[in-house]
Amino acid sequence: DVKVTQSSRYLVKRTGEKVFLECVQDMDHENMFWYRQDPGLGLRLIYFSYDVKMKEKGDIPEGYSVSREKKERFSLILESASTNQTSMYLCASTRGYEQYFGPGTRLTVT
Amino acid sequence: GIQVEQSPPDLILQEGANSTLRCNFSDSVNNLQWFHQNPWGQLINLFYIPSGTKQNGRLSATTVATERYSLLYISSSQTTDSGVYFCAVTGGGNKLTFGTGTQLKVEL
Repeated sequence: DVKVTQSSRYLVKRTGEKVFLECVQDMDHENMFWYRQDPGLGLRLIYFSYDVKMKEKGDIPEGYSVSREKKERFSLILESASTNQTSMYLCASTRGYEQYFGPGTRLTVT
Repeated sequence: GIQVEQSPPDLILQEGANSTLRCNFSDSVNNLQWFHQNPWGQLINLFYIPSGTKQNGRLSATTVATERYSLLYISSSQTTDSGVYFCAVTGGGNKLTFGTGTQLKVEL
């Protein structure tokens, strides 16, 4: 069975904090993705990675960075959290074309 | 980039009813997926269907790539079918472009 896990379901952070969101997949997938989902805006791609230590910007990378030191783990980093980064964050992975999603992390920045 | 439009945006059904959800896309695609997002936010793969027809239980999907649309059929709907249905496509590579979804509510 396909399995993508995310480190937290709910997270509350203060403005200015450094935030790490972790995503792990156990399917030996090459490609991993981070999206955010906001009401009325749908899912928007932040960053993706097609191999270890490789990363590419998605549509809305500003304010975020990523790290992929191991194939199974893809981390999203908010260097200095701001209230406009309050959102649902979804991680996904894929080998071919089919994307599989984790359960999501609902982040609130106060 | 590719534009994806879904219709209707909202749908309310009585349990047992059938429905058809539509996804139009603006360019040729090599990947099309349908997802169901449950009330807890989890996105679940329903179909990978860049062309042709597939069925899985009460759900089926058809993509007519030459006419740039896909349809998702839900038969004998149940309350557990409630949630948001997304269509997502790629024209090349691995970057999916999502539609804005159809919010479905199935009532008793």
